[in-house]
Amino acid sequence: AQKITQTQPGMFVQEKEAVTLDCTYDTSDQSYGLFWYKQPSSGEMIFLIYQGSYDEQNATEGRYSLNFQKARKSANLVISASQLGDSAMYFCAMREINNNDMRFGAGTRLTVKP
Amino acid sequence: DAGITQSPRHKVTETGTPVTLRCHQTENHRYMYWYRQDPGHGLRLIHYSYGVKDTDKGEVSDGYSVSRSKTEDFLLTLESATSSQTSVYFCAISLTPNTYNEQFFGPGTRLTVL
Repeated sequence: AQKITQTQPGMFVQEKEAVTLDCTYDTSDQSYGLFWYKQPSSGEMIFLIYQGSYDEQNATEGRYSLNFQKARKSANLVISASQLGDSAMYFCAMREINNNDMRFGAGTRLTVKP
Repeated sequence: DAGITQSPRHKVTETGTPVTLRCHQTENHRYMYWYRQDPGHGLRLIHYSYGVKDTDKGEVSDGYSVSRSKTEDFLLTLESATSSQTSVYFCAISLTPNTYNEQFFGPGTRLTVL
């Protein structure tokens, strides 16, 4: 069963506007971590932000924030004030306490328009 | 940046030939992982290691083997490459398997099997 679902294969946003990338997950564990990675066209995987299942506040890192809704099992990434350099693939991922690996969604390709 | 290198970065080979990809880290992290990235699938775990000579299978391990004789090196071997193994391969490291520890990724190896 798919553990991480990213329903938006592609998204467009105007430069300087905010954009939300969707991520829903499936787990029966109480303890887990949610991550977002960015993959620019150069191919490397860049860690952006982390949210723990027990964290009461939404995580923020600069222009990135994670809209964590535990009951709905969603962990959406919000990018504020989009920049041209934000154009990339974005992957949502989850680590569960009872698994050694990290499960990834299929990704969302974000294109920032000037 | 985490000190992770992968070699080779690009390889073209023929069906039926053996292929070995190398991951080298300078971070002294105990946990190492091999993923493959294919369009529409995100990243999927092939094998991982939780210490020298300690390895285990991931989600898509068929046709792959791994070895770890030193903390810093994790080798992925395709005993007899097939066209379905054409992919981008990423190595990742993690300090612990805990849910709050992100994985750091190498630059990737693009493998083409003709």
